[in-house]
Amino acid sequence: EPEVTQTPSHQVTQMGQEVILRCVPISNHLYFYWYRQILGQKVEFLVSFYNNEISEKSEIFDDQFSVERPDGSNFTLKIRSTKLEDSAMYFCASSVRPGTYEQYFGPGTRLTVT
Amino acid sequence: GQQVMQIPQYQHVQEGEDFTTYCNSSTTLSNIQWYKQRPGGHPVFLIQLVKSGEVKKQKRLTFQFGEAKKNSSLHITATQTTDVGTYFCAGRSSNTGKLIFGQGTTLQVKP
Repeated sequence: EPEVTQTPSHQVTQMGQEVILRCVPISNHLYFYWYRQILGQKVEFLVSFYNNEISEKSEIFDDQFSVERPDGSNFTLKIRSTKLEDSAMYFCASSVRPGTYEQYFGPGTRLTVT
Repeated sequence: GQQVMQIPQYQHVQEGEDFTTYCNSSTTLSNIQWYKQRPGGHPVFLIQLVKSGEVKKQKRLTFQFGEAKKNSSLHITATQTTDVGTYFCAGRSSNTGKLIFGQGTTLQVKP
């Protein structure tokens, strides 16, 4: 069964450093998403991406964040200058279409900012 | 902004007992999805409800969508230890891809 993959599984970085989290969505999916889950809390929407542009973003997704689809398979989330409060699990998800279609989540990248 | 509230936050049951989690939205939803997240895992899609008053069953799991499309519930009959995890509802207020997750209900099942 096709699945969303994410690398790395765990990233440790120092405050102020830039990090790039990588995702490979399911190949025939056209819509991509990033979510964040702080330990023990709910899953929070960050951004959705379609046709090489952001289609929607949340208040969390400020100027420190950016997303990119650098080639035909990868989808990345960049945090320019990490803060302690960015420590969380970051999930990538993809779907065939938005709306009534289920989203397939990747295994997540645990980001620890020290 | 749109909020999705879920109760209870935690539920401990004896194996064989039933379990229900409730989800309420501040706005009318176009559809609602339910996900299960095992400890240390990622959300896994369970089901989607679209129609007002819709009821769907998956073996021991029964999902309902309210008539006003603002609330939903998940009921598990005769829980098993494999049901352990956090159950999230996630609503959409329009046909965009953005999912608004509830806080989740963490289910513990004592054998």
